[in-house]
Amino acid sequence: DAGVTQSPTHLIKTRGQHVTLRCSPISGHKSVSWYQQVLGQGPQFIFQYYEKEERGRGNFPDRFSARQFPNYSSELNVNALLLGDSALYLCASGLRSSTDTQYFGPGTRLTVL
Amino acid sequence: AQSVTQLDSQVPVFEEAPVELRCNYSSSVSVYLFWYVQYPNQGLQLLLKYLSGSTLVESINGFEAEFNKSQTSFHLRKPSVHISDTAEYFCAVRHGSSNTGKLIFGQGTTLQVKP
Repeated sequence: DAGVTQSPTHLIKTRGQHVTLRCSPISGHKSVSWYQQVLGQGPQFIFQYYEKEERGRGNFPDRFSARQFPNYSSELNVNALLLGDSALYLCASGLRSSTDTQYFGPGTRLTVL
Repeated sequence: AQSVTQLDSQVPVFEEAPVELRCNYSSSVSVYLFWYVQYPNQGLQLLLKYLSGSTLVESINGFEAEFNKSQTSFHLRKPSVHISDTAEYFCAVRHGSSNTGKLIFGQGTTLQVKP
């Protein structure tokens, strides 16, 4: 069975631009969460979506937004990119909103110049 | 605020030696605990988890962790490490009463296994 997939693998943007990252959960999983992992640190929670509704939001500015589609895939959007947004963005999927276990994708490496 | 502390940023160890990666959390409510492993340029892989029941949990590749409620700890151990265990290890906690899957991660511990 396919695991969590994310695209693109790598991305280079300049300050002020906008970026869209994509995630496809494991088949049958209805929950998708997004995490930001800055180099040398642990991942930090950004959003969780379940059944196309936002179920949780971390301490990130409004420049960060996300949505979930009917097929449970998800997009993370970041506007007005800053140098500090450079990070590995991880997507995780789970069966339920309060799922016991989340499974992570390989991540998208975003570099902002 | 909830937090997870991994007490060692780097742990160098020789092959076939035992290792312990330490993790403490702060929470006054019930928690679920996880260890994830991250190999270079990859995402996170679930290593093992504690949800309920026996406080000692094991992974398929020889790691084990013990939930100690009184010490609020969830240390990861392996009796004999292999070169292939070299990776970044993250401890994470989720509140048992939470209606989301939000995980709070520690800063990570780099395990360096030397030949």
